Amino acid sequence: QKEVEQNSGPLSVPEGAIASLNCTYSDRGSQSFFWYRQYSGKSPELIMSIYSNGDKEDGRFTAQLNKASQYVSLLIRDSQPSDSATYLCAVYNQGGKLIFGQGTELSVKP
Amino acid sequence: ETGVTQSPTHLIKTRGQQVTLRCSSQSGHNTVSWYQQALGQGPQFIFQYYREEENGRGNFPPRFSGLQFPNYSSELNVNALELDDSALYLCASSTPTSSEPPDEQYFGPGTRLTVT
Repeated sequence: QKEVEQNSGPLSVPEGAIASLNCTYSDRGSQSFFWYRQYSGKSPELIMSIYSNGDKEDGRFTAQLNKASQYVSLLIRDSQPSDSATYLCAVYNQGGKLIFGQGTELSVKP
Repeated sequence: ETGVTQSPTHLIKTRGQQVTLRCSSQSGHNTVSWYQQALGQGPQFIFQYYREEENGRGNFPPRFSGLQFPNYSSELNVNALELDDSALYLCASSTPTSSEPPDEQYFGPGTRLTVT
């Protein structure tokens, strides 16, 4: 079992729709969770961090964390073509290492 | 822009050669982590440096080594290059590892290494 797993994708949504990206992790002691966005040929860009159970909203982005079920999700409302990118889920494990999932490619169609 | 810089941007090396990649951390950040990202994969943790000492290492052989300098900049050295070392090498800076919860990491633009 991989430490951090994401939907394999690619995920395609129409412009204006809600995109839902999911991530599960195996280390039950993990406390810090992040979503990065990576455009093709570029480096990852931090878009959300979440540490407590529940929802955290930032503009069109909402991160959701459920530690009991060991999953993290990212919702993107009113998706735009400029949101088309690979989204990486990252989790600090108890060893203090930041572990990334393989990423989910999102395509927003005009 | 995160304020993290890396050099060079691109590099082509031959199998068996050695390479040094450089990273300058964001102002105020004293922890640098290095990652290898193969095409279509998420970044893989190589190691982290804090106060000039290695502070955690991923599943990489000893031919991957590093340094951190007093100004918190860092180098990644790879000896005896193999074809599979071709990847995007990323460094990320953050504030002290002793912070709880661990702080956010901010990535530089990366160095694209091609081994032929």
